[in-house]
This record gives sequence, C-alpha cells and structure tokens, in this order.
Amino acid sequence: EDQVTQSPEALRLQEGESSSLNCSYTVSGLRGLFWYRQDPGKGPEFLFTLYSAGEEKEKERLKATLTKKESFLHITAPKPEDSATYLCAVPWLSSASKIIFGSGTRLSIRP
Amino acid sequence: DTAVSQTPKYLVTQMGNDKSIKCEQNLGHDTMYWYKQDSKKFLKIMFSYNNKELIINETVPNRFSPKSPDKAHLNLHINSLELGDSAVYFCASSQDGQAVWEQYFGPGTRLTVT
Repeated sequence: EDQVTQSPEALRLQEGESSSLNCSYTVSGLRGLFWYRQDPGKGPEFLFTLYSAGEEKEKERLKATLTKKESFLHITAPKPEDSATYLCAVPWLSSASKIIFGSGTRLSIRP
Repeated sequence: DTAVSQTPKYLVTQMGNDKSIKCEQNLGHDTMYWYKQDSKKFLKIMFSYNNKELIINETVPNRFSPKSPDKAHLNLHINSLELGDSAVYFCASSQDGQAVWEQYFGPGTRLTVT
C-alpha cells in the first residue's frame, strides 16, 4: 500500500538556523511528489511538484529535492514567517487526481 | 476575488442534526474535492467530482452526501451528525491535466458536534 511518512513531527529552529524536513514514500511508479504549506486555521497552499529523482525546485528560502525513496525540504536561514506545517503528498496508485498526504512537520522559527 | 470559498467557517451543532457545507471556486477548474482533517492533522480525501461527475468516493459513511450542481460548486451534506464527525473539512479544486495535483484549498469549515 502506498504510504507517505514525514519526519520530524515537529521542529523548532532559531531564526537563521538552516535545517531539512524529510518525506519518505513507498509507491510503485512514482508519478510525482508534492509539497504544501499549511498555516494555522487555513487550508494547505501548494508549493512544489517534483517528478523525478534528482529534480530540485526552489522558492525563496525553500528548496525541495527528490531521490528514489525520499524528498527533502531544505530551509535556508529561515524567518519567523516560515513557521507553518509542511505537508508532502504523492499520487495514489493509478488514480487520475487522488493524492495522499503525510501527517506533516510542524515548523516553528523563533526570532 | 477569493479562489476557493467555503461557508460556513465554523459550524457547531448537536448530535443527530443534519447540516450542509457549501463550496465555490472561481478558478475555472474542472475537479473539486472534499477533504477531512482530523484532530491529529491527517488530511484525507473524501470525495472528488470532475465536471459534476463523482470520480472518487472513499470509504465514507453514507450519511455524507456530496452534491455538485455545476462545476464551480461542490456542497457537502451530512445527515445524523455524530461526535466523530467533528473535524475541519476542506474543499479544494484543481485543473485537469498535469496540474491536477496542484490543488487549491479553501479556508476550511470547523465542524464541532456536541
């Protein structure tokens, strides 16, 4: 069965302290991996799609990378406004539109 | 110019009642979804409609009935509400093709059943 596991569950960093979030997956024939950001009391917001191992995407202080077994979301010199829950997701089996989400990493950046 | 909107934002009701949540998107997307996010923050898909046609129907109690009057609207009706239905419900939409997985979410409806 396809699964998505994220670690750590929560991460507290000092402003400017770089780190990485992990998303590991077990799917056969990966068709893509997605990162979303969710602020408290709001719906998830799409960040990136990665399609193949070795691919990288960047947005401001965030960089997402993909290997054959996992994805990393690197956060460089984070600011307090980067505090949020970061969710990764993968397509479900052969479904055209269904995606399954991991449980997320709750990131907190202290000023 | 909200992209995906939901009403109401908060819904408090008693067990056994029937309630509805409305969703509208003005992005011109073809596919719309309902998700449930429980207290542990797991986001799970419930239903998906493409151009008013049901395409995903997860293992959800039949007390939950989605209705799509047109491709810009997807409503969720819940009968005989139970305590376990308390959660945040998100509506989302996406365009067909490769962008189908780039989903745009509404602000959520927090349902509390007492």
